[in-house]
Amino acid sequence: RKEVEQDPGPFNVPEGATVAFNCTYSNSASQSFFWYRQDCRKEPKLLMSVYSSGNEDGRFTAQLNRASQYISLLIRDSKLSDSATYLCVVNIGGGSYIPTFGRGTSLIVHP
Amino acid sequence: DAGVTQSPTHLIKTRGQQVTLRCSPKSGHDTVSWYQQALGQGPQFIFQYYEEEERQRGNFPDRFSGHQFPNYSSELNVNALLLGDSALYLCASSRRSSEQPQHFGDGTRLSIL
Repeated sequence: RKEVEQDPGPFNVPEGATVAFNCTYSNSASQSFFWYRQDCRKEPKLLMSVYSSGNEDGRFTAQLNRASQYISLLIRDSKLSDSATYLCVVNIGGGSYIPTFGRGTSLIVHP
Repeated sequence: DAGVTQSPTHLIKTRGQQVTLRCSPKSGHDTVSWYQQALGQGPQFIFQYYEEEERQRGNFPDRFSGHQFPNYSSELNVNALLLGDSALYLCASSRRSSEQPQHFGDGTRLSIL
């Protein structure tokens, strides 16, 4: 089993839709979590950190479920500009600091 | 405030050659990580440098080596290049904490002929 798994998609949604992605991780010692966005042939850019209590940034909501070992990203009122690949990243702390990326979930928002 | 900068942007090499890629971290960051990203895949962790030492290493052969300088900048060296080394090589910097997110450079696109 891979350390960090994501459904590669693509998720094809119309503008204005709500879409959610999940990311599962295998190491229960994982301590910090992030979502990155990557546009085609560009570098990943930090979208948001994921906190234990869940957090929201505008149309984006991130949640962490430690018991089931997954994080989620919810995008409300999708825009055309949201089309990108969304990468989840899991850091294992405690002296073993290796950020591990999922392969990414592709989102295509169409008119 | 300059972000993470990488050079060169693109590079073409042939099998068996050696390559050196360079990275300057974001101001205030002391930790540099290198990743290899093949088309359609997420970035794969190569190694991480902190205080001029390799601290962590992913599942990459010894052909991949690196260095960090006192000013926190870093180099990635790859020897005996293979066709399969063709990829986007990303450098990311952060402060030394597992809680801190990484900031990425634009990457170096390496093509092996």
